[in-house]
Amino acid sequence: DGGITQSPKYLFRKEGQNVTLSCEQNLNHDAMYWYRQDPGQGLRLIYYSQIVNDFQKGDIAEGYSVSREKKESFPLTVTSAQKNPTAFYLCASSLDRAINEQFFGPGTRLTVL
Amino acid sequence: RKEVEQDPGPFNVPEGATVAFNCTYSNSASQSFFWYRQDCRKEPKLLMSVYSSGNEDGRFTAQLNRASQYISLLIRDSKLSDSATYLCAVNQNNNDMRFGAGTRLTVKP
Repeated sequence: DGGITQSPKYLFRKEGQNVTLSCEQNLNHDAMYWYRQDPGQGLRLIYYSQIVNDFQKGDIAEGYSVSREKKESFPLTVTSAQKNPTAFYLCASSLDRAINEQFFGPGTRLTVL
Repeated sequence: RKEVEQDPGPFNVPEGATVAFNCTYSNSASQSFFWYRQDCRKEPKLLMSVYSSGNEDGRFTAQLNRASQYISLLIRDSKLSDSATYLCAVNQNNNDMRFGAGTRLTVKP
């Protein structure tokens, strides 16, 4: 089955720790995205990548980092510099950034203890 | 003004009712528009794309009003299974997708 997978589904982190969220797609999509969703708010873009080995900051990139070494994979690291990391993190992909339908993975719910 | 705005609801309607949601956007150069459905604690799933004046898919109709800068979603003959949050998404001229915060719908027996 083609699709987007994210792991883990739930993640608990102590303050001061870095954690990495996985996102993999087998849709052969060029563009991938990371969003954060907080209650009562829309999706906010953290980072996006239009092609392998290239990525750009979104609206709320501070405290996060990404890599795009393979077309299929776009992991997100939440660093200790992110002041309020508890949120629902969604990864998405699209054929390219101009053809806009974005398809989402099941999400990772991160809680900082 | 937010780039994409939606009435958060909740909309509580009986089964069989017709319900409509609006979504306004601020960038007049926006080119493409989408409706997503999001169930509680799940990811958004694409419901409809709205590329021109509007389109229909079964009980769902999406309309675009460029002059007034809004899109709408009409659901006819509501089912219990339609209960969800509906997000609109607007792709601005620079290929920058913006999402609304969502409108929550509850369909009751």
